[in-house]
Amino acid sequence: AQSVTQLDSQVPVFEEAPVELRCNYSSSVSVYLFWYVQYPNQGLQLLLKYLSGSTLVKGINGFEAEFNKSQTSFHLRKPSVHISDTAEYFCAVSEWNTDKLIFGTGTRLQVFP
Amino acid sequence: DVKVTQSSRYLVKRTGEKVFLECVQDMDHENMFWYRQDPGLGLRLIYFSYDVKMKEKGDIPEGYSVSREKKERFSLILESASTNQTSMYLCASSTRKSNQPQHFGDGTRLSIL
Repeated sequence: AQSVTQLDSQVPVFEEAPVELRCNYSSSVSVYLFWYVQYPNQGLQLLLKYLSGSTLVKGINGFEAEFNKSQTSFHLRKPSVHISDTAEYFCAVSEWNTDKLIFGTGTRLQVFP
Repeated sequence: DVKVTQSSRYLVKRTGEKVFLECVQDMDHENMFWYRQDPGLGLRLIYFSYDVKMKEKGDIPEGYSVSREKKERFSLILESASTNQTSMYLCASSTRKSNQPQHFGDGTRLSIL
């Protein structure tokens, strides 16, 4: 069965520092991968998605993620974070033959001045 | 832009009450979903509907039911609310293609007293 693991429940970082949020998945078939962001008191907003093709995917707000099939990972990165990036980030996976998403447990990114 | 609207942002109900959470989407999406979000557990799928009057149980359907009488509207029903159903509830919609993202409402924070 497919599953998604976000290894870090919280990531504290100073403003303008780089950040990486880790995501690993398990699945026996082809998958589609997503990162969502949730700002306080809001729903989830799509940051980026990997469907096929180039393994480096660029998203909104300067975020990017790299799909690594051999490592079954889809880590999210930003070279320089802002205070406004403080939010919860969710990694999600969908198998090719289903419309359902499986979510990780989330990583809370807290950016300090 | 896709708009998913949940009828209430905050709701307080008493144990044993029948509770209705409503969700409406404006993009003619076939799929609609109800999730429950709890700290440290991420998003867990309660029910999923892929067409009018069609539904499928998710990972945690116990204590919940759903109704989809019209394509744009998906209701979550707590037949007899209990305190362990206090949570954030998120509705989402998507097209019937597994590589398309889900679009989320802002959530309903439900407290059962």
